[in-house]
Amino acid sequence: DAGVIQSPRHEVTEMGQEVTLRCKPISGHDYLFWYRQTMMRGLELLIYFNNNVPIDDSGMPEDRFSAKMPNASFSTLKIQPSEPRDSAVYFCASSFEETGEWGSYEQYFGPGTRLTVT
Amino acid sequence: TQLLEQSPQFLSIQEGENLTVYCNSSSVFSSLQWYRQEPGEGPVLLVTVVTGGEVKKLKRLTFQFGDARKDSSLHITAAQPGDTGLYLCAGAASGTYKYIFGTGTRLKVLA
Repeated sequence: DAGVIQSPRHEVTEMGQEVTLRCKPISGHDYLFWYRQTMMRGLELLIYFNNNVPIDDSGMPEDRFSAKMPNASFSTLKIQPSEPRDSAVYFCASSFEETGEWGSYEQYFGPGTRLTVT
Repeated sequence: TQLLEQSPQFLSIQEGENLTVYCNSSSVFSSLQWYRQEPGEGPVLLVTVVTGGEVKKLKRLTFQFGDARKDSSLHITAAQPGDTGLYLCAGAASGTYKYIFGTGTRLKVLA
């Protein structure tokens, strides 16, 4: 299996531009998570989906951020308009619901997209 | 808001030394995980603990979940340069698939 695939790996854009990050989860996984990692705030959960449906988006910073999952094999995180404070590494992770122990599942992380907004 | 504080924040040790990293919270978690992250990569799961007082071992790594399920520790015996990385704990409250990540411990093991 190729693991979680994210694109692009690096993105540099100017303030005010639209940015779209892409993620392909592991086949068969029914949960997809978007995280943001910075030195100041660590790894923060932005939103997660179950069976392509957004379950919890309470971590999305503001209306400039939006995420979609049109099918089981693709998700996007869009920032419009982008701002310098959005600069961070954005991770996508996927997992599948395991029977037995509640909440005990492994998240498989992608390599991340390093976003720089100038 | 649930918070997971990790200590120490940074740790630099010599090869062969032992070390312990702590993960503390005022909240109760139904499960707690430890991840290791290397530069330029995403975190990789090391272990999941779900029972208060549970101890799990992974080669030279020993993980313990606190009796009250509010804290956890990671002990590394005879550290090696390959153990270098960012160690993250992550906890999930009962009834949720939402994991909250800790502040992280950045470990460097010198040869």
